[in-house]
Amino acid sequence: SAVISQKPSRDICQRGTSLTIQCQVDSQVTMMFWYRQQPGQSLTLIATANQGSEATYESGFVIDKFPISRPNLTFSTLTVSNMSPEDSSIYLCSVGLSNSYEQYFGPGTRLTVT
Amino acid sequence: LAKTTQPISMDSYEGQEVNITCSHNNIATNDYITWYQQFPSQGPRFIIQGYKTKVTNEVASLFIPADRKSSTLSLPRVSLSDTAVYYCLVAENNNDMRFGAGTRLTVKP
Repeated sequence: SAVISQKPSRDICQRGTSLTIQCQVDSQVTMMFWYRQQPGQSLTLIATANQGSEATYESGFVIDKFPISRPNLTFSTLTVSNMSPEDSSIYLCSVGLSNSYEQYFGPGTRLTVT
Repeated sequence: LAKTTQPISMDSYEGQEVNITCSHNNIATNDYITWYQQFPSQGPRFIIQGYKTKVTNEVASLFIPADRKSSTLSLPRVSLSDTAVYYCLVAENNNDMRFGAGTRLTVKP
């Protein structure tokens, strides 16, 4: 299994600013994932972050808006840039272990943009 | 990627067995069927996974017919704490997961 922590747990930000969300895992993992979950909705995959390579973004998400860093095998950040109220959402990171068919999720970061 | 279809919501009462069915008509040969549970303000949590026939663990059972075009998650004797959203996913591995709309289960006393 894997234990995942995220910082911050929640934040209220002004439009036009940026917020960086941190994701820390208690073990080394190859692949980390970032999801967005809008209120009352399902999860939408933003991007897959592999250590040592550029993140792979899903349709509708671009690097300029959601830059991702993956400096090592236990850590990743997602930045939400130039925020607007439409970016208000819960952002979750997850990992998949090579010897497991599960994905393990962090507790999420609740972002409100005013 | 195979698309999944689930009921939007279900209601049940404590002590009953709950069956949630998921349709995945375009499932590929290498795809597994996985179910996750999500409580409010938490990330999803793995419940069970299967490829065919029946899988059972301490939490639930998963029934998959021979054609694999659907699957049924069975929760025995639900309690109020089983109130959550349940997601059915179809994917080849844990690196390629797409969440559908999910089923919001409400357990009533």
